[in-house]
Amino acid sequence: QKEVEQNSGPLSVPEGAIASLNCTYSDRGSQSFFWYRQYSGKSPELIMSIYSNGDKEDGRFTAQLNKASQYVSLLIRDSQPSDSATYLCAVRSGGYQKVTFGIGTKLQVIP
Amino acid sequence: EADIYQTPRYLVIGTGKKITLECSQTMGHDKMYWYQQDPGMELHLIHYSYGVNSTEKGDLSSESTVSRIRTEHFPLTLESARPSHTSQYLCASSPPQGLQGSTEQFFGPGTRLTVL
Repeated sequence: QKEVEQNSGPLSVPEGAIASLNCTYSDRGSQSFFWYRQYSGKSPELIMSIYSNGDKEDGRFTAQLNKASQYVSLLIRDSQPSDSATYLCAVRSGGYQKVTFGIGTKLQVIP
Repeated sequence: EADIYQTPRYLVIGTGKKITLECSQTMGHDKMYWYQQDPGMELHLIHYSYGVNSTEKGDLSSESTVSRIRTEHFPLTLESARPSHTSQYLCASSPPQGLQGSTEQFFGPGTRLTVL
C-alpha cells in the first residue's frame, strides 16, 4: 500500500463546474496535509495546507480533512481552463520533517 | 514568491561525466530537499537536509551525493552520469516548523538533465 494514494486521472470537468480531487493516506499519525498544483513542465506550487479536521476555504479552493477516515480532498469551485494541471497531495507524518507526495491527479477543465 | 534558484535549467551531457546541479535559496530556510521526477510521474525524494552539515538519503535510491556546508546552498553531484540519470531534478526548501507543524515546501524551477 502506498503511503499517499491518488487517482491519476485524468479528471475532466466542464468549465464552471466543481472539481473534486481525493487523496488517502496510510499513516494515522500524519499531521500536516498539503495540496500542490503542477502545470506541465513546471514545478509544484503550494495552493492549500490543512492541519485539523474539517474544511478550509481559500477563494475558489476548499480543502477537507477527515483524519478518522484518513482522507483529504480538494474542491475547486467554478473551475476554469487555467485550473487544468496535475494536483499533488502531500502528507507529513508525525515526527518527520519530510513530506510524502502522491502521484497526482491530472485535472482537465473543458471550455 | 519563493526565492529558490536552480542552475543549470537544462543540461545535456555525455555518459561518464561528473556533474553538479546547483540549488540556492535566500529565505534562510533550514530544510532543503532534492526530488527526481520523470515526465507524468510522481515526485521521488532522493536527498534531504535539516540544516548545515546534515544530509540524509531519501526514499528513492540514488547514485548522487549532496552537501550542505552553507544554509543557503544544497548542491547535488553525480560522479559519473549515465543515461538512467536522465530526469527532472527539483530542489525545494521549507522554513522552520511553525506552531501547527507546517512544513510547506517551496520548489525551484528544476533542472532537466539528459545523459547521452
